Amino acid sequence: EVQLLESGGGLVRPGGSLRLSCTASGFIFEHYAMNWVRQAPGKGLEWVSVVSDYGATTYYADSVKGRFTISRDNSKNMLFLHMSSLRDDDTATYFCAKGSMLVQGVIDHWGQGIPVTVSS
Amino acid sequence: DIQLTQSPSTLSASVGARVTITCRASQSIETSLAWYQQKPGEAPNLLIYKASILESGVPSRFSGSGSGTEFTLTISSLQPDDFATYYCQQYTHYYTFGQGTKLEI
Repeated sequence: EVQLLESGGGLVRPGGSLRLSCTASGFIFEHYAMNWVRQAPGKGLEWVSVVSDYGATTYYADSVKGRFTISRDNSKNMLFLHMSSLRDDDTATYFCAKGSMLVQGVIDHWGQGIPVTVSS
Repeated sequence: DIQLTQSPSTLSASVGARVTITCRASQSIETSLAWYQQKPGEAPNLLIYKASILESGVPSRFSGSGSGTEFTLTISSLQPDDFATYYCQQYTHYYTFGQGTKLEI
């Protein structure tokens, strides 16, 4: 069974930094692209970033480009999101999400999400 | 950037009804479209990909169609478990989600 468990969320001040982690199990982690998707309170889904299976390729939404960095450690089955220069509008639940093997870009499994609050 | 617009934003329906949700793309995405269901307090769940292919384990009352810029998600006979928010997602140029359609009783 695929499991994705996020950690590292919490309260941070505007301008601060935070690193989210996602521990994966139940599948061969290094074979799959991995994503971060976020959802502001009461709002819709916003894709944040994706990293390819071996970490060579990364893409970011314009809203986080230059401030967030996605990475992975395949030896530990872990995905990371380093967030810096955080703003109020980065407040959201952040989901770790597994890419589909069949179709690039489709997300076939999601973690339960971890809340991040940016506030002074 | 490719924008996705879903309609309606909210849909009221009864158990047993047939409902359709529309997703329009700002430019052609061929069939690079997925649909997800999200219930309050839960993570989203993949329903359909490549516009019309049902994900394994998803009930056959769900179906998708369309190509280019216009797509639909249809639920043929609403069940109590189907009342949720539905999102479309394009994956032809980076990834974008629609704003969501809340399906309520």
